[in-house]
Amino acid sequence: DVQLVESGGGLVKAGGSLRLSCAASGFTFNNAWMNWIRQAPGKGLEWVGRIKTKAEGETTYYAAVVKGRFTISRDDSQNTLYLQMHNLETEDTAVYYCVTVVDSSGYWGQGTLVSVSS
Amino acid sequence: QTVVTQEPSFSVSPGGTVTLTCGLSFDSVSTSHYPTWCQQSPGQAPRTLVHTTNIRSSGVPDRFSGSILGNKAALTITGARADDESDYYCVLMIGDISLFGGGTRLTVL
Repeated sequence: DVQLVESGGGLVKAGGSLRLSCAASGFTFNNAWMNWIRQAPGKGLEWVGRIKTKAEGETTYYAAVVKGRFTISRDDSQNTLYLQMHNLETEDTAVYYCVTVVDSSGYWGQGTLVSVSS
Repeated sequence: QTVVTQEPSFSVSPGGTVTLTCGLSFDSVSTSHYPTWCQQSPGQAPRTLVHTTNIRSSGVPDRFSGSILGNKAALTITGARADDESDYYCVLMIGDISLFGGGTRLTVL
């Protein structure tokens, strides 16, 4: 079964940094595009960014609101996706999900909560 | 600024059929936007119902179907059930960027 397990969330002060991880299993990780999506408390879903496969140069794309502050990377040897977040703002407070499509089905993790205090 | 539009709310009777739509400001939605629909039930993580316009994820009943209707993407739910009461989000790929709509809260009553 496909599993995505996020970790690394927590409480951080504005201006601080945090790194999230997403441990993947049950599929060929190195063949999958991986996304980070977030949801602020009581709000809708917001796409954060995507990383393509190593064969595609691990090209990354970001939402404008996080570009230059967030970096997505992957370690195919560890089947793990990362989201490095710098210069965090209170507006970055959200549950962060890693999301992918495998064999024509979409999969989400359970999410990890990031709280940024002022 | 590009905005993905969805109805804020919709209601359907049990057993009824409802079509939720997903539009784009300043443009028509097409299959090249790879429309994806996600469902989020209260207190739960979202799940992907349909991607690439009309491909259902594993385990999603065929009561849920995606399509392009006119200039919008659409999610049609037939035989609505009480447990379909959820928030439904569409997301479109615009170039290399993805953009979510604000979501539709579906009430079944």
